Amino acid sequence: EIVLTQSPDTLSLSPGERATLSCKASQSVFSKYLAWFQQRPGQAPRLLIYGAFSRATGIPDRFSGSGSGTDFTLTISTLEPEDFAVYYCQQYGSPPATFGQGTRLEIK
Amino acid sequence: EVQLVQSGAEVKKPGQSLKISCKGSGYIFFNYWIGWVRQMPGKGLEWMGIIYAGDSDTRYSPSFQGQVTISVDRSNNTAYLQWSGLKASDTATYYCARTYSSSWNSYFEYWGQGTLVTVSS
Repeated sequence: EIVLTQSPDTLSLSPGERATLSCKASQSVFSKYLAWFQQRPGQAPRLLIYGAFSRATGIPDRFSGSGSGTDFTLTISTLEPEDFAVYYCQQYGSPPATFGQGTRLEIK
Repeated sequence: EVQLVQSGAEVKKPGQSLKISCKGSGYIFFNYWIGWVRQMPGKGLEWMGIIYAGDSDTRYSPSFQGQVTISVDRSNNTAYLQWSGLKASDTATYYCARTYSSSWNSYFEYWGQGTLVTVSS
């Protein structure tokens, strides 16, 4: 089973700043099958990024994904108030699919 | 419009059985996989397993194998998650989600609203 470790656990930033979230895999993620999800309180997760760098439908271009192998990054270029939430990475290339533990992005 | 609508919140006692549902609409139900994800109170997301609606091919996470059963009713466009003997540690919100494609190793593009299961004596 691939273990995904996200860092930091909590990131405190202000609106307008840039956020960089990391996701490291215990072994190489098959074919860049890495997704990022956003979860706001009381809501279901929402797909942001798939295939490591492709934005899902309707996702603003301030969200971008990068990386390959075992190291992946989600970048939010300019934080908006609605971006403060919890973010999860997930690998779906090797069974069982697994999620990282999440990074909480909070307002500083 | 693709929608996954889950059954309502449940309160059960330890040892009881339970079956929660996830009804798909707005797409060809048997062409996709539906997965289940657990979120314990205040915790992260855990991938439990996935089922192909076309032929009921099912894959479980080792952590959940033998603990739950995932099934599908193609006549009703509905997937199910069931327990035969609930434990307090099963208290969580359970989400169903549909894959983007007909491959099991595809990302979850659409999500249900979640079903809160509370197990308490």
